[in-house]
Amino acid sequence: QKEVEQDPGPLSVPEGAIVSLNCTYSNSAFQYFMWYRQYSRKGPELLMYTYSSGNKEDGRFTAQVDKSSKYISLFIRDSQPSDSATYLCAMVDTGGFKTIFGAGTRLFVKA
Amino acid sequence: GAVVSQHPSRVICKSGTSVKIECRSLDFQATTMFWYRQFPKQSLMLMATSNEGSKATYEQGVEKDKFLINHASLTLSTLTVTSAHPEDSSFYICSAPRTTEIAQYFGPGTRLLVL
Repeated sequence: QKEVEQDPGPLSVPEGAIVSLNCTYSNSAFQYFMWYRQYSRKGPELLMYTYSSGNKEDGRFTAQVDKSSKYISLFIRDSQPSDSATYLCAMVDTGGFKTIFGAGTRLFVKA
Repeated sequence: GAVVSQHPSRVICKSGTSVKIECRSLDFQATTMFWYRQFPKQSLMLMATSNEGSKATYEQGVEKDKFLINHASLTLSTLTVTSAHPEDSSFYICSAPRTTEIAQYFGPGTRLLVL
């Protein structure tokens, strides 16, 4: 079993839809959770960064962490064609320094 | 703006030659940098951790004599692909965390094509 599971998609939605991207994990020591966006042929860009459980909102993006279920989500409201990219979840435990990445979900937002 | 830069962004070389890729932290010092490899439509694969002032730590299965890493200063790490072969063709990305942060900041990546 992988430490972090993420559905690779692709996920195709119409413009304006609410997008839900998710990851599950098995290591209960993970405390830091990140979401990255990667456009084709570019390096990943940090979108959201949360510590422990709870919600964090930034514009159209909301990151949600449920440590009891070992489940994290990224919601994108009013999705735009420019949101079309691969979204990677990432996690770090309290003791380690290594970041574990999910496989990435490819998102297509159709105009 | 970008906090980590990479150079070159794209390189084409002949089989058997060596290629050097530079990774720089632009507005912070990075005692640690990470090097990743990414194949098309696949996730990031950590190759090695670059440590300023000491040897790099390589992940299992990564040949350290093939992929030479030098962390020359607190803002510069280099990856040299030695005696490159077509199977080394890939997208190489570096990253670095700010001193007080856990999250990594990625460079724009270097696309290597070995003919």
